[in-house]
Amino acid sequence: GENVEQHPSTLSVQEGDSAVIKCTYSDSASNYFPWYKQELGKRPQLIIDIRSNVGEKKDQRIAVTLNKTAKHFSLHITETQPEDSAVYFCAAKWGAQKLVFGQGTRLTINP
Amino acid sequence: GAGVSQSPSNKVTEKGKDVELRCDPISGHTALYWYRQSLGQGLEFLIYFQGNSAPDKSGLPSDRFSAERTGGSVSTLTIQRTQQEDSAVYLCASSFDNPGNTIYFGEGSWLTVV
Repeated sequence: GENVEQHPSTLSVQEGDSAVIKCTYSDSASNYFPWYKQELGKRPQLIIDIRSNVGEKKDQRIAVTLNKTAKHFSLHITETQPEDSAVYFCAAKWGAQKLVFGQGTRLTINP
Repeated sequence: GAGVSQSPSNKVTEKGKDVELRCDPISGHTALYWYRQSLGQGLEFLIYFQGNSAPDKSGLPSDRFSAERTGGSVSTLTIQRTQQEDSAVYLCASSFDNPGNTIYFGEGSWLTVV
C-alpha cells in the first residue's frame, strides 16, 4: 500500500546551522507533497508544499526539493532559530486524495 | 467558519463507554479527513470524506469506530465501547477537493479513556 518513509527521526543542530529532513514515497502517482510543523500540544500547520510539476520551491529560510525519478523529497531549513524546534512531518497525496504522513522528525535547535 | 473546529477539545471517558467527536470543516471544503495521533507518535489516517461519502475508510482500526458526514459539512467520529488504547488526539482536517489544495487541521479532540 501507500507508504512514506521519513528520516531522521530526531535531529539536533546548532542555532544558525542548516537542517535537512528527507522523505521517500512509494507510489509514483503521488502529485502533492506538503510539509507540516507541529509544536508541542498544537495542531500540525503547513509550512511549505510542492507539486509534482516543479522540482524546487523556496520560502524565505525554508525550501523543499522533489526528485520524482527517485521518489524522494526533502525539507531544508537554513539559518535555524530556536523557534524552529518542533516535530516536522512530510506527507504525500495520491489517488482519492488520501494524505499519508511520514513518521515525523523531532528537530531541536541548540542555542 | 474561519478554521476547522473540533469538539470537545478534551474528553475523559470510562472504559466501555461510547464517545462522539465532532468536526466542523472550513466553509466550502468538500474534503474532510480524520487522523489519530497517539502521544509522541505520528499521524495515523482513519477515514476520508468526499462530500457525504467515504471513498476511503481503510484506516478505521476496528468495527468499534465509525464516522459519518451529513450535509457535506459537519462530521462525527464515533467510538463505541472505548478501550484504553483509544486514548489519543483525534485530528480533523479539511480542504477543497482538487488535488494539491492545502489541507488545514483543527486543534484536535484529546480523548482519555480511564
